Amino acid sequence: EPEVTQTPSHQVTQMGQEVILRCVPISNHLYFYWYRQILGQKVEFLVSFYNNEISEKSEIFDDQFSVERPDGSNFTLKIRSTKLEDSAMYFCASGRGELSYEQYFGPGTRLTVT
Amino acid sequence: GNSVTQMEGPVTLSEEAFLTINCTYTATGYPSLFWYVQYPGEGLQLLLKATKADDKGSNKGFEATYRKETTSFHLEKGSVQVSDSAVYFCALKVASGNTPLVFGKGTRLSVIA
Repeated sequence: EPEVTQTPSHQVTQMGQEVILRCVPISNHLYFYWYRQILGQKVEFLVSFYNNEISEKSEIFDDQFSVERPDGSNFTLKIRSTKLEDSAMYFCASGRGELSYEQYFGPGTRLTVT
Repeated sequence: GNSVTQMEGPVTLSEEAFLTINCTYTATGYPSLFWYVQYPGEGLQLLLKATKADDKGSNKGFEATYRKETTSFHLEKGSVQVSDSAVYFCALKVASGNTPLVFGKGTRLSVIA
């Protein structure tokens, strides 16, 4: 069964450094998402992406964040200058389209900012 | 706005006990409703869903019925197992294009033998 994959599984970085989190969505999906989960808290929406542009973003997704689909398979989340409070589990998700509301989640990347 | 409220955890049950995790929602529009499960050290997995009123989603012995009149989607299982220990998230998605899932805070379930 196809699945969403994410790399790396764990990333440790120093405050102020740039990080890129990578995701490979399910191949016939058209909608892509990033969510994050700070330890012990709820899952929060960051951004959605469709047709090579951002569809919607939350207030968390400020100028330090960007997303890209550099080729036909990868979907990346970049944090330009990481802060301690960016430490969280970041989940990528993908979905088929408007009539199918399911989103399929990857296993997550744990980002630790020191 | 759209929001999901779940019962606070943690919930600790003995094996074979009956499980209910309450979930209520507020939504502008007609949402689809979901339960996701997160096993220790893993990502989110879709457990079940319901897309219209009175629909019952079911999977792996878990059930939830979409109740529009009470804006609820409570998760139930008749007999829990140790392997059901996980965090359970109720979520909604308003059916209007590429909108995100809105999650509740999650309920941690521990099942002891």
